[in-house]
Amino acid sequence: SAVISQKPSRDICQRGTSLTIQCQVDSQVTMMFWYRQQPGQSLTLIATANQGSEATYESGFVIDKFPISRPNLTFSTLTVSNMSPEDSSIYLCSVGVSSVYNEQFFGPGTRLTVL
Amino acid sequence: AQKITQTQPGMFVQEKEAVTLDCTYDTSDQSYGLFWYKQPSSGEMIFLIYQGSYDEQNATEGRYSLNFQKARKSANLVISASQLGDSAMYFCAMKNYGQNFVFGPGTRLSVLP
Repeated sequence: SAVISQKPSRDICQRGTSLTIQCQVDSQVTMMFWYRQQPGQSLTLIATANQGSEATYESGFVIDKFPISRPNLTFSTLTVSNMSPEDSSIYLCSVGVSSVYNEQFFGPGTRLTVL
Repeated sequence: AQKITQTQPGMFVQEKEAVTLDCTYDTSDQSYGLFWYKQPSSGEMIFLIYQGSYDEQNATEGRYSLNFQKARKSANLVISASQLGDSAMYFCAMKNYGQNFVFGPGTRLSVLP
């Protein structure tokens, strides 16, 4: 298993500002992912954070809006840029584990409210 | 394309009783994994149980079991002896080889005292 921490755990931000969310893992992992969960909805994959190269974004998500960094195998950041109320969501970091199940472990999430 | 369907937006169950949460999936691949996650109100996602497409026996983990019917493409989660702490959102998910996880819309389970 992997222990994942996220900072901040929650934040309230003003429209037009940006917020950077940090994700720290207690062991080196190859695969790190960022998800968005809008209120009352399921999880949607934003991007796969690749170490040493640009993130791979899913359809509907772009680097200018959600820049991602992955400087090493234990850390990643997601920035939500030029925020609007529609960005109010839980943002979850997860890691893929090479195990019998190849499950994903998730961080505790960051609850973002944009006013 | 892969798709997960959970037809029960909300479910109620009496404490100490068993409950079944439905999940059906759609894929043309032969090799895939099915997962269930629990999300309490705190927001974290907790991995509960896994079923591989080639597994012949239904998966079990403590009070959780997975009723896997491959021909019907269903992977229902059964929780036995429900506890108040089981109240949460439950997500069914699928992962095909070389592809990302796909999550269902979730079922909100409320356990009544």
